Amino acid sequence: DAMVIQNPRYQVTQFGKPVTLSCSQTLNHNVMYWYQQKSSQAPKLLFHYYDKDFNNEADTPDNFQSRRPNTSFCFLDIRSPGLGDAAMYLCATSHRLVADTQYFGPGTRLTVL
Amino acid sequence: EDQVTQSPEALRLQEGESSSLNCSYTVSGLRGLFWYRQDPGKGPEFLFTLYSAGEEKEKERLKATLTKKESFLHITAPKPEDSATYLCAVQALGFDGGATNKLIFGTGTLLAVQP
Repeated sequence: DAMVIQNPRYQVTQFGKPVTLSCSQTLNHNVMYWYQQKSSQAPKLLFHYYDKDFNNEADTPDNFQSRRPNTSFCFLDIRSPGLGDAAMYLCATSHRLVADTQYFGPGTRLTVL
Repeated sequence: EDQVTQSPEALRLQEGESSSLNCSYTVSGLRGLFWYRQDPGKGPEFLFTLYSAGEEKEKERLKATLTKKESFLHITAPKPEDSATYLCAVQALGFDGGATNKLIFGTGTLLAVQP
């Protein structure tokens, strides 16, 4: 089945230690998104790629970066995680940029010690 | 400002007791309304997409409807496995008239179905 895959499912890092989260998709979708979701809150969009074009949300901290080396893979890099960055990180994909369903992966739960 | 409000925040039902969840929205122009189901510790699972007022979609015990101001997710004869958080999200026209891909999420309705 076509799907969105995230690895790892659980990640523990230390305060200030860089961490990379991975997302891959077999849907061959053009758009890939990264969301942050904290407990009992709605998902918050961090940024997205439309093909190779990167779009950063205005309120996304500089601490968060992303890479998309090819259509299938997208990475979220957190350069210096703080305690406030502990959250569920969700990857999503869609075929078109507008008026199109976004399909989510299972998420990566990040813990910062 | 574009806004999405879901009610109730939490709902407890007995198995077989039908009910509806509400998603009201205030946006400059609706490009799509999306319903997702989210289980604890997992990513949102897509349920329905609605594009225009009057549209309805149905899947097993769930039926989603859309008006110009709100959407309802009707749950008929729910089972305990329907327990989850149900998220509503909208995609709206941007301020310049172009659509933005950003989904505006509500905070969800936590549904618990007791056997």
